[in-house]
Amino acid sequence: QQQVKQSPQSLIVQKGGISIINCAYENTAFDYFPWYQQFPGKGPALLIAIRPDVSEKKEGRFTISFNKSAKQFSLHIMDSQPGDSATYFCAASMMYSGGGADGLTFGKGTHLIIQP
Amino acid sequence: GAVVSQHPSRVICKSGTSVKIECRSLDFQATTMFWYRQFPKQSLMLMATSNEGSKATYEQGVEKDKFLINHASLTLSTLTVTSAHPEDSSFYICSAAGSSGRKRDTQYFGPGTRLTVL
Repeated sequence: QQQVKQSPQSLIVQKGGISIINCAYENTAFDYFPWYQQFPGKGPALLIAIRPDVSEKKEGRFTISFNKSAKQFSLHIMDSQPGDSATYFCAASMMYSGGGADGLTFGKGTHLIIQP
Repeated sequence: GAVVSQHPSRVICKSGTSVKIECRSLDFQATTMFWYRQFPKQSLMLMATSNEGSKATYEQGVEKDKFLINHASLTLSTLTVTSAHPEDSSFYICSAAGSSGRKRDTQYFGPGTRLTVL
């Protein structure tokens, strides 16, 4: 059972455009939703994260939109640049309800290509 | 952000041997460390969770006798792949979370270890 579904699997965006990646989750106990960026052969790096008590969070060019009732969240990358080309993973965990740090359940990833 | 290191970055071993991978949090105390496995072009899968001084908790389907985890200090966790076989070839990534403030909210990932079993 896949608890976090991510789409699209791959995405091509023109430089300067907006990249949008979507995720849906099933477990209503999840209370922490981070997005990670991963380059080939490297570990994932945290981009931005959100808790379900807010509907949107923005950090620089990255924005998370969160819809608790639909159990969906998305990443928007504004003014996409060729350096943003990477694989992006959404994830979820029971960070706070579990009383301590909890393992992440990852989506399957989106391979993003920004064309110059 | 916090820094997590892994050693070695790459290891090639013969089938049947054991391999130890180290994960260190360099600038904060990691109350909890996690081990993930990532096969080529796939997502990260949680293998186990370890808290300092306690036995690791393994995810369903992960053999605890094959993947030995030790979290002896607040800055070091080790993963030992015992009697490695070619199907164990993968990218192993650790992450660390602190005990308070922002470091508790965030998992900081290491750079990963590429294991190839011949």
